[in-house]
Amino acid sequence: TQLLEQSPQFLSIQEGENLTVYCNSSSVFSSLQWYRQEPGEGPVLLVTVVTGGEVKKLKRLTFQFGDARKDSSLHITAAQPGDTGLYLCAGEGPNSGYALNFGKGTSLLVTP
Amino acid sequence: GAGVSQSPSNKVTEKGKDVELRCDPISGHTALYWYRQSLGQGLEFLIYFQGNSAPDKSGLPSDRFSAERTGGSVSTLTIQRTQQEDSAVYLCASSLELFPYEQYFGPGTRLTVT
Repeated sequence: TQLLEQSPQFLSIQEGENLTVYCNSSSVFSSLQWYRQEPGEGPVLLVTVVTGGEVKKLKRLTFQFGDARKDSSLHITAAQPGDTGLYLCAGEGPNSGYALNFGKGTSLLVTP
Repeated sequence: GAGVSQSPSNKVTEKGKDVELRCDPISGHTALYWYRQSLGQGLEFLIYFQGNSAPDKSGLPSDRFSAERTGGSVSTLTIQRTQQEDSAVYLCASSLELFPYEQYFGPGTRLTVT
């Protein structure tokens, strides 16, 4: 059973469009993290959200943590080809101690 | 500065053989993690080390998997009697200390078992 469910699994859009990626769980997390992974590389941390209802912005990326701390979303405004990659959400799982539980990811392709 | 490095970058092995995967963490990082990333399964935790404490092996899928960390630095993940389902990318990460400190990932080792 996947602790964190991400949707959509795949997303193909054109440059300039907006998009939202979702990360949902039935479990409560003390925090959630978003990573971006490019082919042949390891994931790179984008942001950590800690407080329920928290909104963080990173240039054109907006991250939100649900009030109940069970879900999160990533919104990208005016997507660019450089945003192409695999977006992963991760949380400190209830059974994994200090290791991270990852969602399966959303693969984003932005075409010029 | 130098990031997390892993070797080899690619490994092809025959079913039943043993393999060793190496991870060099960022200098000074006390925590080291191993994850496995396979198609359809996403990224799954295998094991982590923190300083001189006993490692958390709760994510290892079978007793064919083992890992050690020598001198609090370099780590080796060993898979004995490899099976085709072991084919995946094995990622190593290190952090200054345990979560919530940021984990820095290496580029991974792509293991293919034929």
